[in-house]
Amino acid sequence: GQSLEQPSEVTAVEGAIVQINCTYQTSGFYGLSWYQQHDGGAPTFLSYNALDGLEETGRFSSFLSRSDSYGYLLLQELQMKDSASYFCAVRALESGAGSYQLTFGKGTKLSVIP
Amino acid sequence: NAGVMQNPRHLVRRRGQEARLRCSPMKGHSHVYWYRQLPEEGLKFMVYLQKENIIDESGMPKERFSAEFPKEGPSILRIQQVVRGDSAAYFCASSPMDRGLIETQYFGPGTRLLVL
Repeated sequence: GQSLEQPSEVTAVEGAIVQINCTYQTSGFYGLSWYQQHDGGAPTFLSYNALDGLEETGRFSSFLSRSDSYGYLLLQELQMKDSASYFCAVRALESGAGSYQLTFGKGTKLSVIP
Repeated sequence: NAGVMQNPRHLVRRRGQEARLRCSPMKGHSHVYWYRQLPEEGLKFMVYLQKENIIDESGMPKERFSAEFPKEGPSILRIQQVVRGDSAAYFCASSPMDRGLIETQYFGPGTRLLVL
């Protein structure tokens, strides 16, 4: 099976930079995804890393190290609207047929304060 | 291009009743996933369907739960004889193709089910 660990809560100041880490354990690995979810809202896809390195999309960047089974989401120039929960997710190759399941972490609740 | 649509947004049922949750994927998407989310928890995979086919239902309880995605119409998640533990948010997601874009899923607004 798969398991993902990420901090439960993070607080940061508006305008600052915050990094949300995710470590995973899987029997196989395709890649690491990140989703954002505001309270009462639907998860929204942010990024996907299949290869090692940093992927940048505007204020958000995501990093993956396959050898360390580790990734992070980096949010720059924080805005109040970035207050939300952030989930990492993996699709892992189970033994036998390929897996169609995305397994999500429990989420990191980010609070941006003035 | 309309996003993933789910209805109802909120559903209240008494124990023992049936709950029917509907999901219309994004236009052009033929792959649907259902997830359950408890408060302060991540999403738990339940089932993956293509038109008229259940591809992976390994995350769905064996009893009382069923899902379908007919040739015409929305995907339906059906919960029979609901119990209080079924109270949760149920999200549907869609993607345009399998394997290649499973990691990029577009979620609907969810159905919040409350069982009294």
